[in-house]
Amino acid sequence: EVQLVQSGAEVKKPGESLKISCKTSGYTFSKNWIGWVRQLPGRGLEYMGIVFPRDSDTRYNPSFQGRVTISADKTVTTAYLQWDTLKASDTAMYYCVRLSDGADYWGQGTLVTVSS
Amino acid sequence: DIQMTQSPSTLSASVGDRVTISCRASQSIGIWLAWYQQKPGKAPKLLVYKASNLESGVPSRFSGSGSGTEFTLTISSLQPDDFATYFCQQYDTFLWTFGQGTNVEIK
Repeated sequence: EVQLVQSGAEVKKPGESLKISCKTSGYTFSKNWIGWVRQLPGRGLEYMGIVFPRDSDTRYNPSFQGRVTISADKTVTTAYLQWDTLKASDTAMYYCVRLSDGADYWGQGTLVTVSS
Repeated sequence: DIQMTQSPSTLSASVGDRVTISCRASQSIGIWLAWYQQKPGKAPKLLVYKASNLESGVPSRFSGSGSGTEFTLTISSLQPDDFATYFCQQYDTFLWTFGQGTNVEIK
């Protein structure tokens, strides 16, 4: 059974750093792109970027380029989303997704709250 | 960026109704379109891929159609479990974009 299990909710202050994770299982990690999707409170879905675990090829939505880092570690079949400097506007739910035709598997989401 | 425009934003319907949601792309995306269902507090769920292919386990009352720039998701007979928000998404390029969502609510 394919599973994507994300790390737990985070509460951070503006200016702090954060790395959230997405642990995968049930399939060959290196064979599918993994993506991250943001959902602002009560809003729609925004694609942030994707990573191909086999060679760590990474593509970013220009709207998020430079603000976040997406990575993957094949040894632990886990993808990551990282911020060096959080802002209040980063408060949102973040989902990791497995790419096949569309996003066929989703993590349960990680709620990130950034507040002073 | 390819813009995806869904209509309507909100749809009020009753159990048993036939429901149609439209999605328009700002340029041709072939058949590279997916539909998702999201319920409150839950992650979205893939319903349809490649415009008209039903994901495994999705009830046959759901169907997708279209190509190029015009796409449709149809629910042939709305069930209580179907009241949710629906999103279209293009994956013609790596720069995915989603529609703004259609909230299907109880009439």
